[in-house]
Amino acid sequence: GAVVSQHPSWVICKSGTSVKIECRSLDFQATTMFWYRQFPKQSLMLMATSNEGSKATYEQGVEKDKFLINHASLTLSTLTVTSAHPEDSSFYICSAGVLAANEQFFGPGTRLTVL
Amino acid sequence: GENVEQHPSTLSVQEGDSAVIKCTYSDSASNYFPWYKQELGKGPQLIIDIRSNVGEKKDQRIAVTLNKTAKHFSLHITETQPEDSAVYFCAATTYSSASKIIFGSGTRLSIRP
Repeated sequence: GAVVSQHPSWVICKSGTSVKIECRSLDFQATTMFWYRQFPKQSLMLMATSNEGSKATYEQGVEKDKFLINHASLTLSTLTVTSAHPEDSSFYICSAGVLAANEQFFGPGTRLTVL
Repeated sequence: GENVEQHPSTLSVQEGDSAVIKCTYSDSASNYFPWYKQELGKGPQLIIDIRSNVGEKKDQRIAVTLNKTAKHFSLHITETQPEDSAVYFCAATTYSSASKIIFGSGTRLSIRP
């Protein structure tokens, strides 16, 4: 099946720094990737939809200047949390759409802890 | 937009018994209903799905039912085993690789030995 990877799997950073998370589709091309955030014991909340070569579409309430998304190739999307604060600590999960299969596959997630 | 409600939030069943999780959705345009299992510290994994042109689908111990008229869909796990313990999410979307997936709030399933 289609494999999606995320890097890093976990990261700890100081408040005020920026953190970049990568999402890669390993064995397929993904024209669309999605970024979710999940707080402890809560559901996945969609942050933004990322299409290769174009600007991401952010969900209501998600600050686009704080969560920078780049989808420069058909196999890579990145999420940069800028000027991170403790309230940004969360589990960030990406998914990639497999066009030919009409379905999405999820990455393993990245645990971000901001001190 | 789509809204998905899921019940119960927690469920504890004896090993070998059945577990049922129920969801409702609001947008009649949704036509694809995947179910995900999430283990601690991991991303969600698709375990079964159903499209709106089908009322029921089964895969070994797991089955899903869909009532399109009532906008209800359910997950049934029979002969539960300890490895079934996890958080389960229902979701609703349209059948496309580019569509948003709207998740339910999740059900924490515990299997008692």
